[in-house]
Amino acid sequence: GQSLEQPSEVTAVEGAIVQINCTYQTSGFYGLSWYQQHDGGAPTFLSYNALDGLEETGRFSSFLSRSDSYGYLLLQELQMKDSASYFCARYNQGGKLIFGQGTELSVKP
Amino acid sequence: NAGVTQTPKFRVLKTGQSMTLLCAQDMNHEYMYWYRQDPGMGLRLIHYSVGEGTTAKGEVPDGYNVSRLKKQNFLLGLESAAPSQTSVYFCASSYSGSLEAFFGQGTRLTVV
Repeated sequence: GQSLEQPSEVTAVEGAIVQINCTYQTSGFYGLSWYQQHDGGAPTFLSYNALDGLEETGRFSSFLSRSDSYGYLLLQELQMKDSASYFCARYNQGGKLIFGQGTELSVKP
Repeated sequence: NAGVTQTPKFRVLKTGQSMTLLCAQDMNHEYMYWYRQDPGMGLRLIHYSVGEGTTAKGEVPDGYNVSRLKKQNFLLGLESAAPSQTSVYFCASSYSGSLEAFFGQGTRLTVV
């Protein structure tokens, strides 16, 4: 299998930190990336991990543990504009790109 | 640079009609993808291509065909549209070996 599992929704308050988890099946796995989508618009790239460890890009960080088949997206200093859907996506060897079902993040004042 | 451009942006089809969605990218990317997204759901891969002249099936390929005759273009065809194909279709592209994909603005297709 090549599916990914992530929570369907997460709620957090402005200024807080939130973590969105993603687990995947290992068959053919090459790397994990994260995308943001506002109101059904075009998904935009946030971060990726080809190797184990933490990648930091401004307020967003992403983590990967190949031994645990697990990754997460960390959003710090949450802002109202961060309310959106967040998708983890796995790249397979050979170029196939599969998305998770998405996590709806609601940021409250 | 325009990035990834999808044509058309909106379309209404009658059941049984055919149509072709065009995706064009100007970034010289090797990989191109077609997804569909239904309300409250993630992006499901229809077909993808890892280079000019090559295509492969994704998660939900039935009822769709694709062609990649030129590196910059990836066409998605519906031979006989069905109401179940009502969806938003997204195209994406990336460099080979890169985990960063770029998306078009989407095509909203309604089949009545």
